Amino acid sequence: DSGVTQTPKHLITATGQRVTLRCSPRSGDLSVYWYQQSLDQGLQFLIQYYNGEERAKGNILERFSAQQFPDLHSELNLSSLELGDSALYFCASSVGLGTGAETQYFGPGTRLLVL
Amino acid sequence: AQTVTQSQPEMSVQEAETVTLSCTYDTSESDYYLFWYKQPPSRQMILVIRQEAYKQQNATENRFSVNFQKAAKSFSLKISDSQLGDAAMYFCALHPNFGNEKLTFGTGTRLTIIP
Repeated sequence: DSGVTQTPKHLITATGQRVTLRCSPRSGDLSVYWYQQSLDQGLQFLIQYYNGEERAKGNILERFSAQQFPDLHSELNLSSLELGDSALYFCASSVGLGTGAETQYFGPGTRLLVL
Repeated sequence: AQTVTQSQPEMSVQEAETVTLSCTYDTSESDYYLFWYKQPPSRQMILVIRQEAYKQQNATENRFSVNFQKAAKSFSLKISDSQLGDAAMYFCALHPNFGNEKLTFGTGTRLTIIP
């Protein structure tokens, strides 16, 4: 158990819908990262938040957005869902000191299936 | 930009034997961190081992060790005394130091342990 929690574990929805994925980082960690793992794209970095502020952006679609709340939990919002958005979405957290000498600990992931 | 290449989609090894998984990378950064993550059938991403690029000494964690060749940009993982529980997808990953902690992953190597 990494200490990072993600809900829900599984999500099945239809095209065009909107979903919210939730992540709680390890106690004391200030940075949260979102990654997408799909069959054709592999593991891709989406976005990073540090202490409530966006810190880095990767290959995140405009239909996707995220935020980190004062209690440091984070939510990833996916809207106008398409079949290709079906994937495993991971949240990871780290202390976030920015020294680079940190390990990212991954949550169990949310498996999204868009039908 | 960083790239990580894992040229072995699948590997197999007899139980109790030793296996080496290959990884090459490219980055323009002079300082960076390299990781091996394991993803068992549960899909959880588990950190196996970490290497700081500025350290010449190869990292070791119990049965897991790396062969880090900075000039060749090579970072292989050696698993000794392979056990059935080592069966998983193994991902090589990199992030630059100082303020850019997004992980760039390779495409993974599926390791099968033969009893």
